[in-house]
Amino acid sequence: ETGVTQTPRHLVMGMTNKKSLKCEQHLGHNAMYWYKQSAKKPLELMFVYNFKEQTENNSVPSRFSPECPNSSHLFLHLHTLQPEDSALYLCASSQEQGTDTQYFGPGTRLTVL
Amino acid sequence: KQEVTQIPAALSVPEGENLVLNCSFTDSAIYNLQWFRQDPGKGLTSLLLIQSSQREQTSGRLNASLDKSSGRSTLYIAASQPGDSATYLCAVKIWGYGQNFVFGPGTRLSVLP
Repeated sequence: ETGVTQTPRHLVMGMTNKKSLKCEQHLGHNAMYWYKQSAKKPLELMFVYNFKEQTENNSVPSRFSPECPNSSHLFLHLHTLQPEDSALYLCASSQEQGTDTQYFGPGTRLTVL
Repeated sequence: KQEVTQIPAALSVPEGENLVLNCSFTDSAIYNLQWFRQDPGKGLTSLLLIQSSQREQTSGRLNASLDKSSGRSTLYIAASQPGDSATYLCAVKIWGYGQNFVFGPGTRLSVLP
């Protein structure tokens, strides 16, 4: 295992629901990342947290709201999503932002109905 | 804006064949290039990392080359095995982007027994 876990692994939600994705890393890293992988686009960086501070927001719509309460946990809060938001959401961590080696979790497969 | 493409999008070969996966990027001002493997339902695993000053890296049956001036990298897999079946992604780390990765769309490889 990579040391990065994500829950839930699968999520189906309606457009009016509110849900949260959780990521946890047990590697002692200080940087955590959210990526989106959809069927028709390459893997896209969404957010970066370095030492609990958000350092990157890659023009992500406000219906996605990240939270990083400590260096080991990262959440992605979802509300009023669109069907085109259906994708695999991957979390990753690294020693700190800019480190070449990132460790990825298995992802959450999200379907928005 | 840096764009990364990969050819072919999918590849199916019989076991034992040597094969080459291609990656191209539009801006040669990269920090490094990395090849990843992604198995279905799982996150990414780093295979090889090539710094911008290097020409190639090898790990077991894998060899990756980098020609920064032409914006190209190849991943060579020798004596392919069914266990090599996965999606292979290349990613470049570029200056001025928070040292984050820009990913290609991937090549889906199937090695038939």
